Amino acid sequence: KQEVTQIPAALSVPEGENLVLNCSFTDSAIYNLQWFRQDPGKGLTSLLLIQSSQREQTSGRLNASLDKSSGRSTLYIAASQPGDSATYLCAVRREETSGSRLTFGEGTQLTVNP
Amino acid sequence: DAGVIQSPRHEVTEMGQEVTLRCKPISGHDYLFWYRQTMMRGLELLIYFNNNVPIDDSGMPEDRFSAKMPNASFSTLKIQPSEPRDSAVYFCASSFRRYEQFFGPGTRLTVL
Repeated sequence: KQEVTQIPAALSVPEGENLVLNCSFTDSAIYNLQWFRQDPGKGLTSLLLIQSSQREQTSGRLNASLDKSSGRSTLYIAASQPGDSATYLCAVRREETSGSRLTFGEGTQLTVNP
Repeated sequence: DAGVIQSPRHEVTEMGQEVTLRCKPISGHDYLFWYRQTMMRGLELLIYFNNNVPIDDSGMPEDRFSAKMPNASFSTLKIQPSEPRDSAVYFCASSFRRYEQFFGPGTRLTVL
């Protein structure tokens, strides 16, 4: 059974700092991995999708990497801003001929202080 | 596109009543997912459909829960009868094939 772990559970940083969020998964047979952010009381917003054949994806100040063999992904946020404060979730999709189930981590709650 | 649309956004009902949650996926998407999120259990997948056909309903908690997708642009999640422990935020999401999943804003359900 796939398990996804995110460390740390919570992180507080001053504005402008670069930071890394970690995600690990137990079964390396994944199809892709997706990073989301969730603001309080809101739905999930997709940030980045990395296919299993890719090593990284970038969008603006965000960079996500994937090391499938070691079961790890990181989300790098450059020059953090108070607006980045949210919960960040990673989710993996199994490598299977059909189906599309995502397994989510518990999330990292990020606070960026002005 | 307007994104995934869910209704109602908030629902307050009394124990024993029937609750119906609605979802309109993004046009052209062939997968639709229903999730439930609580503080205690986090985000749980309840059921998902591919081309309107239920593929995996192993996350549906019990027979009180049912989901339908009569066509590519509409799905419902029904709880009957509702119980206080069903209180949660219910999300609908959709994707094209096995690519990015896009989530709706959620329905916050409170069962008194």
